Amino acid sequence: DIQMTQTTSSLSASLGDRVTISCRTSQDISNYLNWYQQKPDGTVKLLIYYTSRLHSGVPSRFSGSGSGTDYSLTISNLEQEDIATYFCQQGNTLPFTFGSGTKLEIK
Amino acid sequence: QVQLQQSGAELMKPGASVKISCKATGYTFNSYWIEWVKQRPGHGLEWIGEILPGSGSTNYNEKFKGKATFTADTSSNTAYMQLSSLTSEDSVVYYCVRRGITGLDYFDYWGQGTTLTVSS
Repeated sequence: DIQMTQTTSSLSASLGDRVTISCRTSQDISNYLNWYQQKPDGTVKLLIYYTSRLHSGVPSRFSGSGSGTDYSLTISNLEQEDIATYFCQQGNTLPFTFGSGTKLEIK
Repeated sequence: QVQLQQSGAELMKPGASVKISCKATGYTFNSYWIEWVKQRPGHGLEWIGEILPGSGSTNYNEKFKGKATFTADTSSNTAYMQLSSLTSEDSVVYYCVRRGITGLDYFDYWGQGTTLTVSS
């Protein structure tokens, strides 16, 4: 199975900050990397798919980048509603696997 | 709009089985894979497997073979996951999710989650 590593389990930032969350995979996943946001009430939404494509309705302050085994999600101009946990997921090979999540808090 | 509505929280005894439902609205149910994902506190998200309702084709994470069984009723646009021989390890939240159709293998719409508690 492809292992997904999000080394930062929690992150504290101020409103208006630019925040970057990282995800590393155990092998090259050819950009099949997706990002999800989970709110404290458990609601999960797709933010970014295929490394950098913005899902419909997602604010443009979210962006993704990366290649090979290293990927990142960037939130520019952090807003209160961005308080959540962020997960990466690889769609290259079954079984699909997820990172352990990065919890974003406001400073 | 696309919605996945899951059945409510369940309280089951060890050794029992449970069937969780996921009703889909707002799209062509037969054409999209339905995924099932497990979330344990502190353990992140884990992919259990998937079913394509139109054909009944399934893929299971090896770890969950024998534990989970997927079915789908195309007349009611509802997918089901049955979990058998329940233990305390099964006491977590389960999500049903739609997989996007473009072949890029992302999960574009999620249900609200179903909490399963296994206790005697």
